[in-house]
Amino acid sequence: QQKVQQSPESLIVPEGGMASLNCTSSDRNVDYFWWYRQHSGKSPKMLMSIFSNGEKEEGRFTVHLNKASLHTSLHIRDSQPSDSALYLCAAEEGSNAKLTFGKGTKLSVKS
Amino acid sequence: AQTIHQWPVAEIKAVGSPLSLGCTIKGKSSPNLYWYWQATGGTLQQLFYSITVGQVESVVQLNLSASRPKDDQFILSTEKLLLSHSGFYLCAWSRDGGNERLFFGHGTKLSVL
Repeated sequence: QQKVQQSPESLIVPEGGMASLNCTSSDRNVDYFWWYRQHSGKSPKMLMSIFSNGEKEEGRFTVHLNKASLHTSLHIRDSQPSDSALYLCAAEEGSNAKLTFGKGTKLSVKS
Repeated sequence: AQTIHQWPVAEIKAVGSPLSLGCTIKGKSSPNLYWYWQATGGTLQQLFYSITVGQVESVVQLNLSASRPKDDQFILSTEKLLLSHSGFYLCAWSRDGGNERLFFGHGTKLSVL
């Protein structure tokens, strides 16, 4: 069973709209969450990370974390066509170097 | 600034043939190095990681092997390719083992026919 579940699998939002992506880990040993963005045919690039309960905002991107439920969400406001990509959530145990990725959410922003 | 270079960019290989993919990191001494594999439409799966020269840990068994012959070099190889080896291979590095972001190379697209 996939240890990191992402939803939805795909998402279409209009340009200027809000995109909300979800991620949950089933591994209680997870300490850190990462969000990576991967444009088609390219390698992933780290977008945001969150390690503490609460919210973190960077520009148009906001990430939330609830450590009790091991749930994180990524919100993109004022979505742009250039935001169209595969968004990968990754969970990491602090004790080792193993990062587990989810299957990703494919975001399409339509102008 | 640190740079990561992967080679080749793409490969088309026959089933049963050998494979060698490489990765070099410049501008960072003693990086943690990783190999990831991504099937078409699939998730990123960590294959190997290395925290020092000569030491490689296997995460999943896919009939592949990895070596770290130099501090800045990571090699992925197999003697005999399978159809299931097709996909996108990514080398990555991080500064430390925990709580550190991954920096990925551009990747190698492998097609096994």
